[in-house]
Amino acid sequence: GENVEQHPSTLSVQEGDSAVIKCTYSDSASNYFPWYKQELGKGPQLIIDIRSNVGEKKDQRIAVTLNKTAKHFSLHITETQPEDSAVYFCAGTTSGTYKYIFGTGTRLKVLA
Amino acid sequence: GAVVSQHPSRVICKSGTSVKIECRSLDFQATTMFWYRQFPKQSLMLMATSNEGSKATYEQGVEKDKFLINHASLTLSTLTVTSAHPEDSSFYICSARSRQASTDTQYFGPGTRLTVL
Repeated sequence: GENVEQHPSTLSVQEGDSAVIKCTYSDSASNYFPWYKQELGKGPQLIIDIRSNVGEKKDQRIAVTLNKTAKHFSLHITETQPEDSAVYFCAGTTSGTYKYIFGTGTRLKVLA
Repeated sequence: GAVVSQHPSRVICKSGTSVKIECRSLDFQATTMFWYRQFPKQSLMLMATSNEGSKATYEQGVEKDKFLINHASLTLSTLTVTSAHPEDSSFYICSARSRQASTDTQYFGPGTRLTVL
């Protein structure tokens, strides 16, 4: 089955700097990779996603890149703001089941 | 759009009692709903997949007789934790996949914090 690894586990950046979080997956048949932001005590919120037929997707300050050959994908946040502080999870999908396998999460702190 | 609600948001119960958590998709029909459990500072662990009108599929290690799941309609799934014990205390989160969606996107509810005394 799918296995997703996520790094780093914690990340501190100065406000205005960029943050990058990386995930690797094992199932070459996986074809959908969402990123979620989870604030304390709340459910995860989808912030961006990418399908395997696309190499990069951008939405304002957030972008995701996918390298199918290497089986890794990354979240890029530019011009970070204090409100970006949260836990971010990547996920891969187990092919054919719609099930997500989540990464272990990255706690992002944006320092003002 | 794509709003998922959960009720209650927080529940405290005594050991040995049962607790029911509701998950509703408010503005879309959900063919499939998922139930996750999240312990403090950990990732989300899938407990079961619930398809409308059929029996839930449980992940390995999850007791189906302890965590009863019912998906009675395209907008409602319930999770009942039976004979709850302190080790069942956790954050329970549901998600829903749209019936109309051509993607695999899951929309998550706000979670239910269960504390068993």
